[in-house]
Parts: sequence; structure tokens; C-alpha cells
Amino acid sequence: AQSVTQLGSHVSVSEGALVLLRCNYSSSVPPYLFWYVQYPNQGLQLLLKYTTGATLVKGINGFEAEFKKSETSFHLTKPSAHMSDAAEYFCAVSDPYNNNDMRFGAGTRLTVKP
Amino acid sequence: DAGITQSPRYKITETGRQVTLMCHQTWSHSYMFWYRQDLGHGLRLIYYSAAADITDKGEVPDGYVVSRSKTENFPLTLESATRSQTSVYFCASSRITGELFFGEGSRLTVL
Repeated sequence: AQSVTQLGSHVSVSEGALVLLRCNYSSSVPPYLFWYVQYPNQGLQLLLKYTTGATLVKGINGFEAEFKKSETSFHLTKPSAHMSDAAEYFCAVSDPYNNNDMRFGAGTRLTVKP
Repeated sequence: DAGITQSPRYKITETGRQVTLMCHQTWSHSYMFWYRQDLGHGLRLIYYSAAADITDKGEVPDGYVVSRSKTENFPLTLESATRSQTSVYFCASSRITGELFFGEGSRLTVL
């Protein structure tokens, strides 16, 4: 079974600074990888996903993530944080051959300081 | 463009009572899921359904029952609620690419 580890339950950055949220995965098959964002009192919404092909994936709101097979990582970055980026971020991994088996990390809460 | 609708959004109940959380999707996605979200655990899969009349257990199914008589509906029932079932519950659906589309959640408190 797959699993995900998100390093750091809380990350705090200043507005305009680089955002880096770390995610490492474990999977016995080539995985599909996802980042979701959750704003207060809302459901999760997809930021970006990696399935196959280009390892650098661009998502909404200026976020991107790079799939590094050798490091089993899928870290999320954004060059310049905005106040509106404050939210909870979840990394997830799924088995491409088993649509019902998506596993989530514990989440990272991003705080953006003015 | 309603997407996924969950009801109720907030529910307070007592230990031992039966509670049903409703989930309705308008996309005709085959797969539907129920997750619970607890601090420090992220999201954990309770049950999923691959199609109408096909359901299966996820990671934490104990104490929950699901049904799916129609593609668009996937209710989750707690037959006898316990305090450990206090949580935020999310319904989701997916298409073939695997990404999930979530409802806004149902916050359940069991006293």
C-alpha cells in the first residue's frame, strides 16, 4: 500500500517569500501524486497532479511541484507567498491501477505573515 | 454547477443515536468516497463505491454503513454513534484520472 509523509505540520513564511512544503511518498508501483488545498470550513480542492510525463507540474495560483523518483519526493513550491495562500495543504498518492486507493498525508498548515 | 452537495453541514447528536450523512453529486462520476478528517491524521477512507450497488471498505470502516442505490447518491450511516466518531466527514467523487472532487464537509459532534 502507498503512504505519504508530509514534513512539518506547520510552516510559516513572510509575504513575498518562497513557499516550500515537503512531501515524501512510498509506493510499490509508479504513483499518481496530488497536492490539495483546504481553506477554512471548506472541502479540499486540487492544486496540481502528476500522472506521467513531465516531472515538473504547474498548478493553480502559481504553485508547482516536481516529481523526483530517486528521492521519492513531490515537494510543493511557490516563488512568492501571498496572504491568500494561508491554508492547509495535503499531499496524496494513489495507485494508477486501483482508483479507490488514494492515501493522504497528515497535512501542513501554511501561515503567511505580512 | 452544483458538483457535490453534503448535508447536513453541521450535526450534533448523542451517543447511541443513528445518524445519516447525505452526499449527492451531479457529475455522474462512477467512484464515490467517504473520508473522515481528524487532526494529525489527514483524511482516512471509510468506504468507497465503484458504481451503483458496489461498495467496499476503506481504512476505517467500523461503525459505519453505506449504500448506493443510485449513481448520484452515497449516504453514510452511523448506526449507533460513539464519541470517537466526532469528526469532519467529506464525501468525494472521482473520474477515471483519479483526482478527487470534494464536498464542503459535514461536521459531526457526538456528545
